[in-house]
Amino acid sequence: GQNIDQPTEMTATEGAIVQINCTYQTSGFNGLFWYQQHAGEAPTFLSYNVLDGLEEKGRFSSFLSRSKGYSYLLLKELQMKDSASYLCAVTRIKAAGNKLTFGGGTRVLVKP
Amino acid sequence: DAGITQSPRHKVTETGTPVTLRCHQTENHRYMYWYRQDPGHGLRLIHYSYGVKDTDKGEVSDGYSVSRSKTEDFLLTLESATSSQTSVYFCAIGSLAGAGNEQFFGPGTRLTVL
Repeated sequence: GQNIDQPTEMTATEGAIVQINCTYQTSGFNGLFWYQQHAGEAPTFLSYNVLDGLEEKGRFSSFLSRSKGYSYLLLKELQMKDSASYLCAVTRIKAAGNKLTFGGGTRVLVKP
Repeated sequence: DAGITQSPRHKVTETGTPVTLRCHQTENHRYMYWYRQDPGHGLRLIHYSYGVKDTDKGEVSDGYSVSRSKTEDFLLTLESATSSQTSVYFCAIGSLAGAGNEQFFGPGTRLTVL
């Protein structure tokens, strides 16, 4: 089976940095995704990591350590519009239908 | 943005009635998925399809069936709705063309079973 853990909720201040951790246990790991989901809306793709290291996209960065089963999403220069849930998901090698397994999501609240 | 629509967007129904949700895509993607999202559980896969008439079960398939007669349409049916099926349902599409086969999500259907 697979197990994906994320904190349920985090609070941060506008302009600050927040790091959202995701740990996973899965056989045949083949990549990790981060999605952003605003309340009442659909999830939208943020990043994909399959190799160890840091991927940077503007204010958002995602890190992966395959040996530790660990990823984080780093949000810099927080803005009020970054208040949302952030979903971690993993995929496996030759997963039938290219399925993803999602963690429970982390709700981030940005305060002024 | 990927062209995915879901209908209806909201539905209220009574226990025991059949319900069909529709997902329509204009991207010609091979893979289509139905998820439900509930507080404390995140997104859970109900059924998925890897081609026309090719479907398989996800982790929470009991009480649901699906059909895919055309590439662009994926239907989710609750044969006899129960209150435990009150949820937000998301359809997603995917292909191997993206970075690591990311999935794109439709706007969701909020279903309430009374």
